[in-house]
Amino acid sequence: AQSVTQLDSQVPVFEEAPVELRCNYSSSVSVYLFWYVQYPNQGLQLLLKYLSGSTLVKGINGFEAEFNKSQTSFHLRKPSVHISDTAEYFCAVSVRVMEYGNKLVFGAGTILRVKS
Amino acid sequence: NAGVTQTPKFRILKIGQSMTLQCTQDMNHNYMYWYRQDPGMGLKLIYYSVGAGITDKGEVPNGYNVSRSTTEDFPLRLELAAPSQTSVYFCASRRRPGGRTDTQYFGPGTRLTVL
Repeated sequence: AQSVTQLDSQVPVFEEAPVELRCNYSSSVSVYLFWYVQYPNQGLQLLLKYLSGSTLVKGINGFEAEFNKSQTSFHLRKPSVHISDTAEYFCAVSVRVMEYGNKLVFGAGTILRVKS
Repeated sequence: NAGVTQTPKFRILKIGQSMTLQCTQDMNHNYMYWYRQDPGMGLKLIYYSVGAGITDKGEVPNGYNVSRSTTEDFPLRLELAAPSQTSVYFCASRRRPGGRTDTQYFGPGTRLTVL
């Protein structure tokens, strides 16, 4: 079964510092990977996704992620964080269900706390 | 478009009560999903639907039921509420066709407490 591991439950960082949120996945087939962000008391919003092609994917709000097939990783990075980036971040992999459907398998989430 | 809407936003239930969490999307998406979110556990899939009249169980379906009589609506039913069902519930939708690559759009969530 496909699974996603987010290696850090919480990441504290000072404003304007760089950050990396780690994500590893297990899959024996082609993968489609996603990062979602959840701001306090809100639903999930797509940050970026890897489907194919370039392994470096750019998303919204200055975030980017790099797909590394040999290490089965999809780490999320931002060179300089802002207070407004404080949120919970979820890594997810798309899994086929039924004949043509899909579902997302989520990691446990990483809370990013940006301090001034 | 309003996107995915969920009602209610908050609800407190007593053990054994029943309720329906409503989910509606106005994007004409075929696929709809119900997740529950518990601290430190990420999101777990409860049920999903690939179109009107077609539903299937996800990872944690026990204690829940769904129906999909229209493309727009995907209600989640709790028949006998238990404290273990205290959680935040998210509904999501995705268009078809598009294979596995299309984005899921999430509603704002329903925070349910069972006492």
